[in-house]
Amino acid sequence: EPEVTQTPSHQVTQMGQEVILRCVPISNHLYFYWYRQILGQKVEFLVSFYNNEISEKSEIFDDQFSVERPDGSNFTLKIRSTKLEDSAMYFCASRAVYGTEAFFGQGTRLTVV
Amino acid sequence: DQQVKQNSPSLSVQEGRISILNCDYTNSMFDYFLWYKKYPAEGPTFLISISSIKDKNEDGRFTVFLNKSAKHLSLHIVPSQPGDSAVYFCAASGKTGNQFYFGTGTSLTVIP
Repeated sequence: EPEVTQTPSHQVTQMGQEVILRCVPISNHLYFYWYRQILGQKVEFLVSFYNNEISEKSEIFDDQFSVERPDGSNFTLKIRSTKLEDSAMYFCASRAVYGTEAFFGQGTRLTVV
Repeated sequence: DQQVKQNSPSLSVQEGRISILNCDYTNSMFDYFLWYKKYPAEGPTFLISISSIKDKNEDGRFTVFLNKSAKHLSLHIVPSQPGDSAVYFCAASGKTGNQFYFGTGTSLTVIP
């Protein structure tokens, strides 16, 4: 069964460092999303992406964040200068063009120390 | 601004009985409503969805009911099994599907 895959599963980084979280969406899906969940809190929307453009972004997704689809299969989230409060599980998701549901990856646990 | 709300943080049910998880929303423009199941340290897994033009959708042991006038939906699991123990998230999206709005989740424990 097709699935969204995310790497790495766990990333530890020092405050102020740049991190890139990687995702391989389900092939033939064209809508991509990043969400995050801080421990014990709700699942928060970061950004959606379609046709090589950001479709929508939340207030969390400030200038420190960026997304890219560098090739036909990968979708990345970059955090330029990480803060302690960026520590969270980051989930990538994808959706088919005529689909109504998003399918999520297993997540990357980002720990900023 | 929480557009999707799950007011019960937890629910315990005996194995074999019905589990009813509830969700309320505020935005009447939502087009689709979804339920996801999530285990710790894993991503949300899609369970079942319902279009705003329907009031019921069934898939095996899972049924979702939508009451648009009350802006309320519920997920029924019958019969409940211990493997159903997880956090259940209600989510909603508009016509564009550019964002899925998640509730805060309900932790379901099915007691053997």
